[in-house]
Amino acid sequence: TQLLEQSPQFLSIQEGENLTVYCNSSSVFSSLQWYRQEPGEGPVLLVTVVTGGEVKKLKRLTFQFGDARKDSSLHITAAQPGDTGLYLCAGAQLNKFYFGSGTKLNVKP
Amino acid sequence: DADVTQTPRNRITKTGKRIMLECSQTKGHDRMYWYRQDPGLGLQLIYYSFDVKDINKGEISDGYSVSRQAQAKFSLSLESAIPNQTALYFCATSAGKRTGELFFGEGSRLTVL
Repeated sequence: TQLLEQSPQFLSIQEGENLTVYCNSSSVFSSLQWYRQEPGEGPVLLVTVVTGGEVKKLKRLTFQFGDARKDSSLHITAAQPGDTGLYLCAGAQLNKFYFGSGTKLNVKP
Repeated sequence: DADVTQTPRNRITKTGKRIMLECSQTKGHDRMYWYRQDPGLGLQLIYYSFDVKDINKGEISDGYSVSRQAQAKFSLSLESAIPNQTALYFCATSAGKRTGELFFGEGSRLTVL
């Protein structure tokens, strides 16, 4: 059983569309991170959110940490082919990081 | 050069063989981790180490062992490999802050026949 559940598992959209990826848990985390992974490479950090209710923006990406620090969302506005990749959320507990199962995003031109 | 280097990048072996995956880092971080990635399962923690004398089991440590030879080196061993250990393995480091980022190597793809 995964501590963090991500949805959807797969997402295939057209360039210009908006999308939201969800990361949910029944556990509380001290912080939550979002990573992006390209084929043949390790995950790379996009953002860390720490405070319940926190919202962070990174260009067209908006990240939100739930008020209770149990869940998070990633919203992409006007997706581009360069956004294609595997998106992973990771929650921190006692200096260990627990990962969700990932959302594989494909943005078609 | 990569900050976190894993060797080998690809390995095919047979059931029952002993395999070692090596990880070295130049980031100067105390904390090092080994993760396993399977399709649809994200990353699962195998072992982690917060300094040279500290080794801890993660979520899926059965069938694996580790050695922290130095601050910069953390190796993962499969004493007797089995086919369901076929996966992509990642080493990662962290500075140890509460909000610390994980820095990953490029991964080692292991196939056990």
